[in-house]
Amino acid sequence: GEDVEQSLFLSVREGDSSVINCTYTDSSSTYLYWYKQEPGAGLQLLTYIFSNMDMKQDQRLTVLLNKKDKHLSLRIADTQTGDSAIYFCAERGILSGGYNKLIFGAGTRLAVHP
Amino acid sequence: GAVVSQHPSWVICKSGTSVKIECRSLDFQATTMFWYRQFPKQSLMLMATSNEGSKATYEQGVEKDKFLINHASLTLSTLTVTSAHPEDSSFYICSARDRRRQNNQPQHFGDGTRLSIL
Repeated sequence: GEDVEQSLFLSVREGDSSVINCTYTDSSSTYLYWYKQEPGAGLQLLTYIFSNMDMKQDQRLTVLLNKKDKHLSLRIADTQTGDSAIYFCAERGILSGGYNKLIFGAGTRLAVHP
Repeated sequence: GAVVSQHPSWVICKSGTSVKIECRSLDFQATTMFWYRQFPKQSLMLMATSNEGSKATYEQGVEKDKFLINHASLTLSTLTVTSAHPEDSSFYICSARDRRRQNNQPQHFGDGTRLSIL
């Protein structure tokens, strides 16, 4: 079945890089996503990567995809206190009705300290 | 960018009350909307998929008579928690799929509704 796993907690010092890891099981996933959730709020799409790409960079964010190992990572350069949040990895799966759905990992809580 | 408005953001009510949550796509049309439930410090659990003009598709284990979903227009879906009890207390989040089916961003999320049943 479809499953997405992530480490639950990451603590980094302000200014350092953060790397959040994720593994998924569905090799047919075409898109993989990273979402950010701040306390009491909904999800904000940070970035995504298409399955035929190995890397995508968007300002401070770098996504690496190892399709062979089904491993996805999100690197945040120069991490700031405003980056403290929960980060969800998600893959795009297929509903039985043919509609796309997102399968989320449990979320990684990133804490940035001075 | 695409905006999804969810209302109310927080509701507290007595056990036995029915509560309606609205999800609106403000600047795009959404043929498909999704309803999620999130427990504290946990991931999002898909409850149901709501399609405009047709019945919602519920995930396994979700009671359709308990969680009534209506998707009456291309910009509005509602979730009604009927006869709510304390175990229904949770954070409910909706998302909407742009009718133009932009594959790189399949769902736009609302800010969620925190439901507390006393």
